Amino acid sequence: SQQGEEDPQALSIQEGENATMNCSYKTSINNLQWYRQNSGRGLVHLILIRSNEREKHSGRLRVTLDTSKKSSSLLITASRAADTASYFCATEGVGGAGSYQLTFGKGTKLSVIP
Amino acid sequence: EAQVTQNPRYLITVTGKKLTVTCSQNMNHEYMSWYRQDPGLGLRQIYYSMNVEVTDKGDVPEGYKVSRKEKRNFPLILESPSPNQTSLYFCASSLIGGGAQPQHFGDGTRLSIL
Repeated sequence: SQQGEEDPQALSIQEGENATMNCSYKTSINNLQWYRQNSGRGLVHLILIRSNEREKHSGRLRVTLDTSKKSSSLLITASRAADTASYFCATEGVGGAGSYQLTFGKGTKLSVIP
Repeated sequence: EAQVTQNPRYLITVTGKKLTVTCSQNMNHEYMSWYRQDPGLGLRQIYYSMNVEVTDKGDVPEGYKVSRKEKRNFPLILESPSPNQTSLYFCASSLIGGGAQPQHFGDGTRLSIL
């Protein structure tokens, strides 16, 4: 099954700066989601963006989707120490068994330094 | 409170001793899924269930069994655990299958097989 790949693998920024994480995937998708995971805890859903959408916002989060480039980005503005976590993109494929599965990438580990 | 509950949270056991990790959700979700998370490999889906009595293999089903006799419960069974099944396991549920709805995750079960 296809898998999104996040880039960079790790990112370290100062509090107040913006953080941008990217996700690339291989085949057509119906939906793409972003999740956050605090160390050793369960994943928490952040944003869902559908294939016919280009941009979505939620508070300090902004997600873009470019289906022609098969990529998405997550922007966290004015980062806080509490944003320190791993961030994952997850894709739902089109057709076949992939339509019923959400496939996760390996994540970007974000460290926000106070 | 809407939640996905996994038990146990931690387990250390020995090779070959059958074990069951329970998962229960109180949101009347149709879709439930099991993932394992390993360093460098991200989250990989083990099994999923579209509804009661409907289960299917994910990407890494070998060595695992599941059942879905009731809508709220989706236990993961390791009939004869081996050390390569040492991992962090997550149960998740969503209203429907695929990526059209956010998935809700449990807090995880850390399994160590000696």
